Amino acid sequence: QSALTQPASVSGSPGQSITISCSGSSSDVGAYDYVSWYQQHPGRAPKLMIFNVRYRPSGVSHRFSGSKSGNTAALTISGLQAEDEADYFCSSYVLSSGTLRVFGGGTKLTVL
Amino acid sequence: QVQLQESGPGLVKPSETLALTCNVSGVSVTSGNYYWSWIRQSPGKTLEWIGYIYNSGSTNYNPSLKSRVSVSVDTSKNQFSLRLSSVTAADTAVYYCALEEFALIPYAFDIWGQGTVVTVSS
Repeated sequence: QSALTQPASVSGSPGQSITISCSGSSSDVGAYDYVSWYQQHPGRAPKLMIFNVRYRPSGVSHRFSGSKSGNTAALTISGLQAEDEADYFCSSYVLSSGTLRVFGGGTKLTVL
Repeated sequence: QVQLQESGPGLVKPSETLALTCNVSGVSVTSGNYYWSWIRQSPGKTLEWIGYIYNSGSTNYNPSLKSRVSVSVDTSKNQFSLRLSSVTAADTAVYYCALEEFALIPYAFDIWGQGTVVTVSS
């Protein structure tokens, strides 16, 4: 299956809001509400930030929110902080003969 | 709490088989509520799902790797393993084990190991 499409980079100033998009197809992002988002700092493992499009795991800041429209999902970070600077990846369940998983190419967030 | 830890050789020769193990603590690998996955990240940072095992023996693999990959469980050691055959330089990556807790957080990898670097080179 093809990877999901994300912008290579986004940036914002402290306190601002940014949105990262994740584009797929009717076989993955558009099929079910099973999109998740991960934050990855250099040298660290990815950390789950959003699951099932819009739900935050325990301990994740309310500044992180998710949404979906059609075949495109989005991660919004409000009140940007320096520690938000990281790579962000989306992932989706894939409607296929087997229950597969696919990732986006990743987006580098720079806090100016 | 649940923790995962990968282990295995950091260097594998081309055409040989890569073999990694994920040691699990805090939960039994036989639990039916979990999907146990392997994921890798290329030097260019792209994440790629390799495959998973659940119910101690049912598996699903990435179609692009299916002919070369095998995931299995060792219940006596509470760990699961990855074997990837006929490796090439393109298989050089950081390999992560991860789990999906279906009862709480379906279709999302909520716990990851720290990752292990595997380089394919002669």
